[in-house]
Amino acid sequence: EDQVTQSPEALRLQEGESSSLNCSYTVSGLRGLFWYRQDPGKGPEFLFTLYSAGEEKEKERLKATLTKKESFLHITAPKPEDSATYLCAVPYLSGGSYIPTFGRGTSLIVHP
Amino acid sequence: GAGVSQTPSNKVTEKGKYVELRCDPISGHTALYWYRQSLGQGPEFLIYFQGTGAADDSGLPNDRFFAVRPEGSVSTLKIQRTERGDSAVYLCASSEGTSTYNEQFFGPGTRLTVL
Repeated sequence: EDQVTQSPEALRLQEGESSSLNCSYTVSGLRGLFWYRQDPGKGPEFLFTLYSAGEEKEKERLKATLTKKESFLHITAPKPEDSATYLCAVPYLSGGSYIPTFGRGTSLIVHP
Repeated sequence: GAGVSQTPSNKVTEKGKYVELRCDPISGHTALYWYRQSLGQGPEFLIYFQGTGAADDSGLPNDRFFAVRPEGSVSTLKIQRTERGDSAVYLCASSEGTSTYNEQFFGPGTRLTVL
């Protein structure tokens, strides 16, 4: 069964303590993998799209990487303002259309 | 520019009542998606429109849920005979097209509470 799994469910870091979030997926013929950031009470905010294994993208303290079975979101020297839930999504074929399927997210808290 | 807007931001209703949730997408975006998000979960797909037509409604949980987009812009999600299990945040997103690579822009959501 196609699915998207994120780990860990929750992560607490001290400011400056680098770490990585994982998104694993099962799909044949990946059509892109999306990372979003979601703050409490708000809708998800787009971060990155990765298209193929080996691809990397960076934005400030975030770097997303992609392999054939998983993606990592690396957070370097995080700050308290990086605290949020990070979601990944993979499009799955449904009735002739590709519909993004989201993981449950990783809730990140960065302590000052 | 203006992003995706959703109204109301909060809706409290009683079991059995009818509710309408509105989404105003980014101007010019042809694709519009509705999702439902429960606490601790990722967004769950409900339906998407390409222009005025519902291109895929496979995520609607049952026939109490219906959505329209009559002029290809604003969309309304309609829920009949609401149940307590319908309580969730309903998110709307729009994009320039339905390519799987198109970035989706999300609204802030409508928090629906069914008492």
